[in-house]
Amino acid sequence: DVKVTQSSRYLVKRTGEKVFLECVQDMDHENMFWYRQDPGLGLRLIYFSYDVKMKEKGDIPEGYSVSREKKERFSLILESASTNQTSMYLCASASLRDVNEKLFFGSGTQLSVL
Amino acid sequence: SQELEQSPQSLIVQEGKNLTINCTSSKTLYGLYWYKQKYGEGLIFLMMLQKGGEEKSHEKITAKLDEKKQQSSLHITASQPSHAGIYLCGADGRGTGTASKLTFGTGTRLQVTL
Repeated sequence: DVKVTQSSRYLVKRTGEKVFLECVQDMDHENMFWYRQDPGLGLRLIYFSYDVKMKEKGDIPEGYSVSREKKERFSLILESASTNQTSMYLCASASLRDVNEKLFFGSGTQLSVL
Repeated sequence: SQELEQSPQSLIVQEGKNLTINCTSSKTLYGLYWYKQKYGEGLIFLMMLQKGGEEKSHEKITAKLDEKKQQSSLHITASQPSHAGIYLCGADGRGTGTASKLTFGTGTRLQVTL
């Protein structure tokens, strides 16, 4: 089974802190994604990566950056956390070899910024 | 940009009853994905539909994509407590033919009572 692992289930940070959210997948998937999920707004794509060191902005990249130095790891960085970044963050991966290219999701990180 | 509207937003059904969730798109759907999310966890892939009029079933869950490819429905027969969760539709509205940039609906929260 594909496994997408997010480093933390719950995280509490203070305004202005630099925050790293880590995601690792074990199936050699080319594509990796970061979404945030908020009540009433659904899932929104922050950034995605289609190869090592390659990244592309999603729908809401402001206030975030990403890093993909290795194929299996995709990190989301909040340079200076703000209260409006309190959310559930979901990482996902997908393989170009899968004809449906369905997304496999991690369990999520609930981030609270105080 | 594409918008997906799900209805109803929430649903409470008695165990054993049938139910239907709808997903309506503002644009033509090139690929429609259904996911299920258990409360506070990641999303699990259920089914993907591409062709107008297509219907797929898995266990007691059936998904359909209408001929005009702007609406999909998810039908659960004889609901069970294990069906409880949030159901989300995701769409490839850019015609890329991939799941790389899915737009998601806001979800339908399903509770199944005994």
